[in-house]
Amino acid sequence: GNSVTQMEGPVTLSEEAFLTINCTYTATGYPSLFWYVQYPGEGLQLLLKATKADDKGSNKGFEATYRKETTSFHLEKGSVQVSDSAVYFCALSPGGGSQGNLIFGKGTKLSVKP
Amino acid sequence: DSGVTQTPKHLITATGQRVTLRCSPRSGDLSVYWYQQSLDQGLQFLIQYYNGEERAKGNILERFSAQQFPDLHSELNLSSLELGDSALYFCASSVSSGLAYEQYFGPGTRLTVT
Repeated sequence: GNSVTQMEGPVTLSEEAFLTINCTYTATGYPSLFWYVQYPGEGLQLLLKATKADDKGSNKGFEATYRKETTSFHLEKGSVQVSDSAVYFCALSPGGGSQGNLIFGKGTKLSVKP
Repeated sequence: DSGVTQTPKHLITATGQRVTLRCSPRSGDLSVYWYQQSLDQGLQFLIQYYNGEERAKGNILERFSAQQFPDLHSELNLSSLELGDSALYFCASSVSSGLAYEQYFGPGTRLTVT
């Protein structure tokens, strides 16, 4: 079946540190991959996405590359800010068909200290 | 603000009761998705509607049902509530159905079953 595994949190970093949150997936077909972010008390927001192998999604300094050979979609940011403190979810949408339901990882809570 | 509204924001009810959660999608969006976020299960897809018809079903219990009305708003009905149904319920909407279309999430309804 389809599933997403992401690194357990919480992750605590100092401002300007480098961030990596690991995400691997299991899927049949050709899924699209996503990173969503959830700020305290809010709903999820799409951060970036990639729809095929070797695609790189990027937004607000965050990047992730769709690696089919390692079934991974790790999230990276070169220099985190306090405002990046949130919960980050890796997700996939199974390939094929006209459905768009998302399958999420458990989420990784990031805290950035000044 | 994603443009997706959910009511109520909070709901506290007793075991065995029935509740209805409401979602209004963004203007023009035809597809509505329901997700459940709980501490033990994480974020799980429940059900999707597209233009009034059920399009995909996930891990939705038989005690739960949903529908999408002609004005495209959607309701999620939860009956015979159990303590384990306590969770945050999110609604998301997208222009159409399929992985090419970004989902916009509402702020969620927090359900507490006592």
